Amino acid sequence: GESVGLHLPTLSVQEGDNSIINCAYSNSASDYFIWYKQESGKGPQFIIDIRSNMDKRQGQRVTVLLNKTVKHLSLQIAATQPGDSAVYFCAEKNRGSTLGRLYFGRGTQLTVWP
Amino acid sequence: DTAVSQTPKYLVTQMGNDKSIKCEQNLGHDTMYWYKQDSKKFLKIMFSYNNKELIINETVPNRFSPKSPDKAHLNLHINSLELGDSAVYFCASSLGTSGLRTHNEQFFGPGTRLTVL
Repeated sequence: GESVGLHLPTLSVQEGDNSIINCAYSNSASDYFIWYKQESGKGPQFIIDIRSNMDKRQGQRVTVLLNKTVKHLSLQIAATQPGDSAVYFCAEKNRGSTLGRLYFGRGTQLTVWP
Repeated sequence: DTAVSQTPKYLVTQMGNDKSIKCEQNLGHDTMYWYKQDSKKFLKIMFSYNNKELIINETVPNRFSPKSPDKAHLNLHINSLELGDSAVYFCASSLGTSGLRTHNEQFFGPGTRLTVL
């Protein structure tokens, strides 16, 4: 079956440093990927997405990189701030799926210390 | 201004009881979802409705019954609660389910923390 996983369950970075959160997926039929941020006590919040016909997409302070050859996805956060502390999830959607089903990875807890 | 709201935020109950969680979205979306998040933060889809019709029904015990009275509401009723049902339940909605990017983004509610004693 499909699986979306994360290499590191926790990541600690110093304020101002760049953060990289990784995600591996196994389904080559996945054609759409999303990163979500979940702060403590809240629901997941959309950060950035990328389609499989792209290998990089940038947002404000965030960049998502997609390597389809090795089925790897990463989220880079520039100049990490204390407000970035949260659990980050990658999620994938399968090509041709019209059901909106997203498969979520396990999540990485990012902690930013001063 | 709340986009996706859920009630209650916390629910503590005894084993064997029946309880409901309500969800409403004011985004005008056609599709709504229920997710379960376990103690290790793993998010798993349970159900999805598109325009009041059930379109995703994952392997969930039939003690869980979703109901969508209209496309802005998706409620979750749980019968005979068990200890293993303790989790955070999230409702979400999306514009639709097609391959369009704008349809794929799911907006999540704040969650309902269910504790079964």
